[in-house]
Amino acid sequence: NAGVTQTPKFRILKIGQSMTLQCTQDMNHNYMYWYRQDPGMGLKLIYYSVGAGITDKGEVPNGYNVSRSTTEDFPLRLELAAPSQTSVYFCASSLSSVSGNTIYFGEGSWLTVV
Amino acid sequence: AQSVTQLDSQVPVFEEAPVELRCNYSSSVSVYLFWYVQYPNQGLQLLLKYLSGSTLVKGINGFEAEFNKSQTSFHLRKPSVHISDTAEYFCAVSESNFGNEKLTFGTGTRLTIIP
Repeated sequence: NAGVTQTPKFRILKIGQSMTLQCTQDMNHNYMYWYRQDPGMGLKLIYYSVGAGITDKGEVPNGYNVSRSTTEDFPLRLELAAPSQTSVYFCASSLSSVSGNTIYFGEGSWLTVV
Repeated sequence: AQSVTQLDSQVPVFEEAPVELRCNYSSSVSVYLFWYVQYPNQGLQLLLKYLSGSTLVKGINGFEAEFNKSQTSFHLRKPSVHISDTAEYFCAVSESNFGNEKLTFGTGTRLTIIP
């Protein structure tokens, strides 16, 4: 049971570089999410998607872009990396967005921008 | 808008001792409440959740939590902890009339079990 799979697990970027964090889920979930987790802070929602072709901003979307061409995949793109984007990123999915529906998380991607 | 406060950032506990991790929330409407656990270098996984019904909720690994509406609390408890319970624990809240995209997480409590 793969669940939610993220790659890469670790990455170091230089300021101004761009990269894509990949996320795929095999549970046929409609809803997918990207969160970031900073030390001593709770998770903050970056973007979410309610289905293929539909995405929307979360609480902290600046500096990021997403796309959802298939139900399974939800990549997160950083266009011009900045030190403030050093964080741990979690992709997640849920069957529906109904509040209370269980969210399943990937194992995280540790990103350092230097 | 809802908010959630985890009062303790770190809790050290001796093995086989009981533990309580505290969580308080703020909301003007009815809420759903969650506890997630994050083991080292892993993603979060759901420990338990309160949606409605009995205020005492039992979860995985022997954990339970009690929803107290008058105290606006949802404290997590375990009667006897094990080394394997070492992890970070996140309380989360969502208002029942909104979707998962409005889920708000607390800042986490790091539980360290002392042998």
